[in-house]
Amino acid sequence: DTEVTQTPKHLVMGMTNKKSLKCEQHMGHRAMYWYKQKAKKPPELMFVYSYEKLSINESVPSRFSPECPNSSLLNLHLHALQPEDSALYLCASSQIWDPDGNSPLHFGNGTRLTVT
Amino acid sequence: GQNIDQPTEMTATEGAIVQINCTYQTSGFNGLFWYQQHAGEAPTFLSYNVLDGLEEKGRFSSFLSRSKGYSYLLLKELQMKDSASYLCAVRQTGGFKTIFGAGTRLFVKA
Repeated sequence: DTEVTQTPKHLVMGMTNKKSLKCEQHMGHRAMYWYKQKAKKPPELMFVYSYEKLSINESVPSRFSPECPNSSLLNLHLHALQPEDSALYLCASSQIWDPDGNSPLHFGNGTRLTVT
Repeated sequence: GQNIDQPTEMTATEGAIVQINCTYQTSGFNGLFWYQQHAGEAPTFLSYNVLDGLEEKGRFSSFLSRSKGYSYLLLKELQMKDSASYLCAVRQTGGFKTIFGAGTRLFVKA
């Protein structure tokens, strides 16, 4: 079982809907990430939060709005999405600093989003 | 530009050894990771290299040559459950941005 929990597992939404994806981790990690993954493609970085502040926005359209309410939670608010936004959305977390210099990403199982 | 190249697919036999290669050109380097991803599941961390050389972890080993921009993942004593995609990923300087290769789909046959 993954230590990063994402809800919902599946989401179908229309182009006019507003929905939110949720992510939670209790590993004490202070960096949290949103990745987007299309079928048979690598994960693509969308956003990074460090110490609950937005550190990286990879020029993501404003119809995706991230939020980090506290050190354990990460949300992704969705509004007016397009069918091409259909993908697997992965949340990940990592330590800011690891004594081994390692700090791998710990991924959740993702939310499979379909936009109709 | 930034580029991470891996073979698209590989097939190997149960009990054998397979080597998955990765070459990279990225702006800044702060470590190379290998992740395993089974179909429909999240990627899971396998190995990490930041210095040149070989890191061994059970049936899995990973090698890095920074001067050549090259890494490989070696899987020994292959098992059917090793059938998955293997993602090579480079963490850029600064620490937070990790870029993934397209992944190598490994099929292990009996």
